[in-house]
Amino acid sequence: SQKIEQNSEALNIQEGKTATLTCNYTNYSPAYLQWYRQDPGRGPVFLLLIRENEKEKRKERLKVTFDTTLKQSLFHITASQPADSATYLCARTGGGNKLTFGTGTQLKVEL
Amino acid sequence: EAQVTQNPRYLITVTGKKLTVTCSQNMNHEYMSWYRQDPGLGLRQIYYSMNVEVTDKGDVPEGYKVSRKEKRNFPLILESPSPNQTSLYFCASSTEGGESNSPLHFGNGTRLTVT
Repeated sequence: SQKIEQNSEALNIQEGKTATLTCNYTNYSPAYLQWYRQDPGRGPVFLLLIRENEKEKRKERLKVTFDTTLKQSLFHITASQPADSATYLCARTGGGNKLTFGTGTQLKVEL
Repeated sequence: EAQVTQNPRYLITVTGKKLTVTCSQNMNHEYMSWYRQDPGLGLRQIYYSMNVEVTDKGDVPEGYKVSRKEKRNFPLILESPSPNQTSLYFCASSTEGGESNSPLHFGNGTRLTVT
């Protein structure tokens, strides 16, 4: 089965620094990887999608990379702010009509 | 406003008492899906629907039923709830499912407790 793994430990960083979150996958490379943000008690919200043939994608302060050799995607938030504190989920296509989600990494941005 | 609406937000029930969680989307999306989210296990798909009258099992379908009689609605039915179905449930929709790149739009969740 297709697995997707994210660091379950919370990531604490200082305001203004760059946060980097990791998503690793197993088996074959997915056609797409998606990243979502989830706030406590709320549904996930879509942030970015990166295709297999794209190395990097940017949106404002967000950047996602996709390394098919390492079977890994990195999610960066530059100039992080306390409002960026949330859980970030990555999801992969593959294995049928669904997205498979990682368990998410909690980010805390401190003043 | 484009949204996925789930009801109720919170539900406490007893073992064996049938319940339905409703889900409605106003975006004319073809694809709808139900997920449950548990600590340490992440989001796991229960059932999905590629279109009206087309439904299929996800990873954890046991104990659940769904129907898709209309495009906008995708209710989740628990015929005989058990305590292991205590969880946070999310409905989601997208323009198309499968191996597409369509992002999912999620509802705000239903927290179910079965005693």
